[in-house]
Amino acid sequence: GQSLEQPSEVTAVEGAIVQINCTYQTSGFYGLSWYQQHDGGAPTFLSYNALDGLEETGRFSSFLSRSDSYGYLLLQELQMKDSASYFCAVRDRGNQGGKLIFGQGTELSVKP
Amino acid sequence: IAGITQAPTSQILAAGRRMTLRCTQDMRHNAMYWYRQDLGLGLRLIHYSNTAGTTGKGEVPDGYSVSRANTDDFPLTLASAVPSQTSVYFCASAPGHQEFGYTFGSGTRLTVV
Repeated sequence: GQSLEQPSEVTAVEGAIVQINCTYQTSGFYGLSWYQQHDGGAPTFLSYNALDGLEETGRFSSFLSRSDSYGYLLLQELQMKDSASYFCAVRDRGNQGGKLIFGQGTELSVKP
Repeated sequence: IAGITQAPTSQILAAGRRMTLRCTQDMRHNAMYWYRQDLGLGLRLIHYSNTAGTTGKGEVPDGYSVSRANTDDFPLTLASAVPSQTSVYFCASAPGHQEFGYTFGSGTRLTVV
């Protein structure tokens, strides 16, 4: 099987940097991805890591350490519009044959 | 505009009734998925389809069925709804079944009373 752990809530101020951590347990790891969801709307894909290291996409970066079964999403120069829920998701060779399995989500609140 | 259309947007359903949630995509994606989202539990996979004509069970398939007669449509059926199926249902698609980047629909909010 597989399981993911991420903090339920994070609060930060506008302009700051915030890191959302995700640890996972899988039976055969393919990669880790991140999604953003505003106010219960459609989740949108942000990034993924199949290999160790940092992937940067504008203000957002995602990091993976396969040896530590750990990854994080880094958001820089926070803006009010970044207030949302963020989900990590793994693809593994478990029961669902490589489908994305999601964590419970981290609600990010950006304060002025 | 290319994407995924889900219908209805919301529904209140009496327990024991049958209901089909519709999902249509126009991106010619091979893989499609149904997830349910409940507060504090994230997104849980119900059923999936790697390509037209094939389907598979996800984490929480009991009480749900799907079909994939063609590439574009992936309906989810609740044969006899129960209150525990109250949830927000999201349909998603991807070009192939080994992708990380899914495109999600806007969801169907279902309340079973």
